[in-house]
Amino acid sequence: DVQLVESGGGLVQPGGSLRLSCAASGFTVSRNFMSWVRQAPGKGLEWVSTIYSGGRTYYLDSVKGRFTVSRDNSNNTLYLQMNSLRAEDTAVYYCARLRPSSQGGHFDSWGQGTLVTVSS
Amino acid sequence: QSVLTQPPSVSGAPGQRVTISCTGSSSNIGAGYDVHWYQQLPGTAPKLLIYGNSNRPSGVPDRFSVSKSATSASLAISGLQAEDEADYYCQSYDSSLSGYVFGTGTKVTVL
Repeated sequence: DVQLVESGGGLVQPGGSLRLSCAASGFTVSRNFMSWVRQAPGKGLEWVSTIYSGGRTYYLDSVKGRFTVSRDNSNNTLYLQMNSLRAEDTAVYYCARLRPSSQGGHFDSWGQGTLVTVSS
Repeated sequence: QSVLTQPPSVSGAPGQRVTISCTGSSSNIGAGYDVHWYQQLPGTAPKLLIYGNSNRPSGVPDRFSVSKSATSASLAISGLQAEDEADYYCQSYDSSLSGYVFGTGTKVTVL
């Protein structure tokens, strides 16, 4: 069975950094397209970043230059390095597997999420 | 800021049929990108409900159906059940933003 387990969330001050992890099982991260999606408290879903199987990365405009998505093939783990954090980055962060297609793509498996709170 | 617009809430009695609209634009739904739907039960992660042209993952009942027109899409839930009470989101790809976009979300209440 496919399973995604996020960790690394917590309370951080504005301007601080945090690294989220997403441990995958049941499939190989490096052979798939992987994404991060976030949900601010009481709000809707927002796509944050995607890393293709070939390594190309894409980001939401508001996190470009601050967030970096990467993966560790030996540990089958996805990461999100978040720097220069702002209050508006406060959200539950989900990792999800993206199933690409010529007409876009959909997220077929999701983790349980990890909460990031940016506050002084 | 979501580029796909959904009604904030819809409600219906058990057994009734409700529909949720998802309105986009020429850079996402209107550009031919697929629309997908997710269900998020209270306090849980989103779950893929329907993808592409009415494809349902294993375990999703056929009470859920979709339709699509020029720049919009709809999710219909027939035979509404108490367990359907959740938030529902549409999702597509936007060529102007070069990224994936979600709808504003709709809360379904079973009366």
